[in-house]
Amino acid sequence: EVQLLESGGGLVQPGGSLRLSCAASGFTFSSYAMSWVRQAPGKGLEWVSAISGSGGSTYYADSVKGRFTISRDNSKNTLYLQMNSLRAEDTAVYYCAKEIGCSGGSCYAEFDYWGQGTLVTVSS
Amino acid sequence: DIQLTQSPSFLSASVGDRVTITCRASQGISSYLAWYQQKPGKAPKLLIYAASTLQSGVPSRFSGSGSGTEFTLTISSLQPEDFATYYCQQLNSYPHTFGGGTKVEIK
Repeated sequence: EVQLLESGGGLVQPGGSLRLSCAASGFTFSSYAMSWVRQAPGKGLEWVSAISGSGGSTYYADSVKGRFTISRDNSKNTLYLQMNSLRAEDTAVYYCAKEIGCSGGSCYAEFDYWGQGTLVTVSS
Repeated sequence: DIQLTQSPSFLSASVGDRVTITCRASQGISSYLAWYQQKPGKAPKLLIYAASTLQSGVPSRFSGSGSGTEFTLTISSLQPEDFATYYCQQLNSYPHTFGGGTKVEIK
């Protein structure tokens, strides 16, 4: 059974840093690209960042570029999001998500599994 | 960046109704579109990928269509458990943006 378990959320002051983790199980972690998606309180979904299975390619939303860093440790089956220079507008539930991957010669980037989310609150 | 515009943003419907939600992309995205359902306090759930492929385990009353810039999610007969918020997402190019969401409520 695929499981994604986020941790590391909490209350942090503006300008501070936080590192989120997403522990994965139930699939061959290194074979799948992974992403972070966030949702501010009462708002819609916002794609944040993605990383390839090997970790060699990373992508970011403009809103976090230069402040957030996505990474992964395939030996530990864990995805990370290092968040620096945090702002009030970064307050959100952060979800990690697994891409469907490739099958039958076709590849799909849609998210078939999501974690339960971890809340990050940026406030003084 | 590719913008996705969902309409309507809010929909009031009754059990048994046929419901259609539209997602328009600011530029062509072929069939690189997903639909998700989200209930309060829960993670989103994948319903449709590649614009029209039903995710395993999703009831057949859900269907997706479209390509290029216009897409639709249809629920053929709305059930009580379908009252939720629905999002589209484009996977054509980074950033993989989401639409603003459509909240489906009970009439």
